[in-house]
Amino acid sequence: GAVVSQHPSRVICKSGTSVKIECRSLDFQATTMFWYRQFPKQSLMLMATSNEGSKATYEQGVEKDKFLINHASLTLSTLTVTSAHPEDSSFYICSAQTDTTYNSPLHFGNGTRLTVT
Amino acid sequence: QQQVKQSPQSLIVQKGGISIINCAYENTAFDYFPWYQQFPGKGPALLIAIRPDVSEKKEGRFTISFNKSAKQFSLHIMDSQPGDSATYFCAAAQGGSEKLVFGKGTKLTVNP
Repeated sequence: GAVVSQHPSRVICKSGTSVKIECRSLDFQATTMFWYRQFPKQSLMLMATSNEGSKATYEQGVEKDKFLINHASLTLSTLTVTSAHPEDSSFYICSAQTDTTYNSPLHFGNGTRLTVT
Repeated sequence: QQQVKQSPQSLIVQKGGISIINCAYENTAFDYFPWYQQFPGKGPALLIAIRPDVSEKKEGRFTISFNKSAKQFSLHIMDSQPGDSATYFCAAAQGGSEKLVFGKGTKLTVNP
């Protein structure tokens, strides 16, 4: 089946530093990927839609200058948390569709646990 | 405004029992309703999904029941097993959009 790989699975960084998270579609091309954030025991909140070759579309309330998204190829999207602070600590998950047909399933990566100290 | 309301927040079921999780939505434009299963430290995995043109869909032990007039849908897990213990999320999307709106999740525990 389709596989979406995220790296790293866990990262601990100091406040003020930046962290990059990679999301790769391993056996398919994804023109669109999605980034979610999940707080402990909470639901998934869509942060942004990552479009290959163009700017990402951010959901209301998400700071685009803080959460930089780059979708440079059909198999890779990156999320960079800039100047991270403890409140940015969360579980970040990406997802992608295997094709663009109507309601084709979304496949999720295994997430990245970010802890900012 | 919460567009998809999910209940219960947690559920404990004995092995072999039936687990039932309910969701209600507000946006009548939603036309795609998937259920996801998530284990701790992992991303969600698609279990089963339904469109509004059918009232029920079954895949193995998992069944979605859909009530369009009531704007409700539910997941039934038959013969629940300890390995089904996970958090389950319902979701909804409209117009073929991949932008899913998730419920808050239900933590299911199946006791042996």
